Amino acid sequence: AQSVTQPDIHITVSEGASLELRCNYSYGATPYLFWYVQSPGQGLQLLLKYFSGDTLVQGIKGFEAEFKRSQSSFNLRKPSVHWSDAAEYFCAVGTTDKLIFGTGTRLQVFP
Amino acid sequence: EPEVTQTPSHQVTQMGQEVILRCVPISNHLYFYWYRQILGQKVEFLVSFYNNEISEKSEIFDDQFSVERPDGSNFTLKIRSTKLEDSAMYFCASRFGTFPNTEAFFGQGTRLTVV
Repeated sequence: AQSVTQPDIHITVSEGASLELRCNYSYGATPYLFWYVQSPGQGLQLLLKYFSGDTLVQGIKGFEAEFKRSQSSFNLRKPSVHWSDAAEYFCAVGTTDKLIFGTGTRLQVFP
Repeated sequence: EPEVTQTPSHQVTQMGQEVILRCVPISNHLYFYWYRQILGQKVEFLVSFYNNEISEKSEIFDDQFSVERPDGSNFTLKIRSTKLEDSAMYFCASRFGTFPNTEAFFGQGTRLTVV
């Protein structure tokens, strides 16, 4: 069955530090992978997506993610975190017609 | 920029009552979805809707749930007899096409509280 695992429930970083949020997926075919961000009181905003081709994808707000088929991973990275990045981050895999989400990682940023 | 709009933002209802959650998808989109997020848990797929019919639904989407696109612009989720465990944030989403070519756009959500 398709599934997404985000092993880190809560991560705290200092502003300006680098960030990596982990995501592992289970999917039989070529996965369509997404990262969404949910700021407090807001809906889900797409950060980036991977469909095929270059395994390093760039997204909005300075985020990037790398697809590693051998590790079934799609980790999200940012070289320098800003206080405004504090939010909940969801990794998702797209099947033919729906998204399957992970449990999310809450990012806290200290000044 | 076009966006998915959901109303109300927060609804409180008594157990056993019917509720209707409303969504206005982006105007040229063809695929519509409802997801829910119980507090502290992951976002879960409920149902997808295309060409005026349900294309897929999850185990959560039982006979108490129904969806409708009554007038070509709104997309509603009805819960006939609410239970305490229906308390959650409900997200509507829409998409122009299918994967991999298009992304899903999500609304801000409706927080449903059943008391």
